Amino acid sequence: DARVTQTPRDKVTEMGQEVTMRCQPILGHNTVFWYRQTMMQGLELLAYFRNRAPLDDSGMPKDRFSAEMPDATLATLKIQPSEPRDSAVYFCASGLAGTGGADYGYTFGSGTRLTVV
Amino acid sequence: KNQVEQSPQSLIILEGKNCTLQCNYTVSPFSNLRWYKQDTGRGPVSLTIMTFSENTKSNGRYTATLDADTKQSSLHITASQLSDSASYICVVSPGGFKTIFGAGTRLFVKA
Repeated sequence: DARVTQTPRDKVTEMGQEVTMRCQPILGHNTVFWYRQTMMQGLELLAYFRNRAPLDDSGMPKDRFSAEMPDATLATLKIQPSEPRDSAVYFCASGLAGTGGADYGYTFGSGTRLTVV
Repeated sequence: KNQVEQSPQSLIILEGKNCTLQCNYTVSPFSNLRWYKQDTGRGPVSLTIMTFSENTKSNGRYTATLDADTKQSSLHITASQLSDSASYICVVSPGGFKTIFGAGTRLFVKA
């Protein structure tokens, strides 16, 4: 089965350090999403890309978070500087969007569990 | 305000029994509604997706219903198994890949 691959699986870092999370979307998918999940807030959409272009990053704290797709096989989410409140599980998902906004569903990765101490 | 509310918050049932999870939403406009299953430590996995014109969709022992008039959806699980223990998340989209997530229902299936 095709899958979305996220690395690292777990990350523990000290406050103030830079954190980079990586995602390899499913080959052929043209849309990539970044989500954050916490016990308090549930799942929140941070950003999403269509054909590598950012379409919406309104859910992302702009001062410290940045998301990019340097190529079609890699999406990155960076936090600099990291803070304890950033501790969460970060999920990447990829999907295939058709013409006219048709949505054929999307697949989640297993997530990166980030702990900032 | 666009919201998705799920009930109950958690549920314990015996293996082999049926159960129904509820999802009420106030999202407008409405494009589609998805149910996801999320096992502990894993990403959500799609169970069903329904558009405005669909009122029922099945995936094995999972059957989702949608009433777009009352803005309610349910997920019915038949003959529950231990592996059904997970969080079930209702997600509503107003379109364009925008998504509003419910907080989920935590289901525990006991032997």
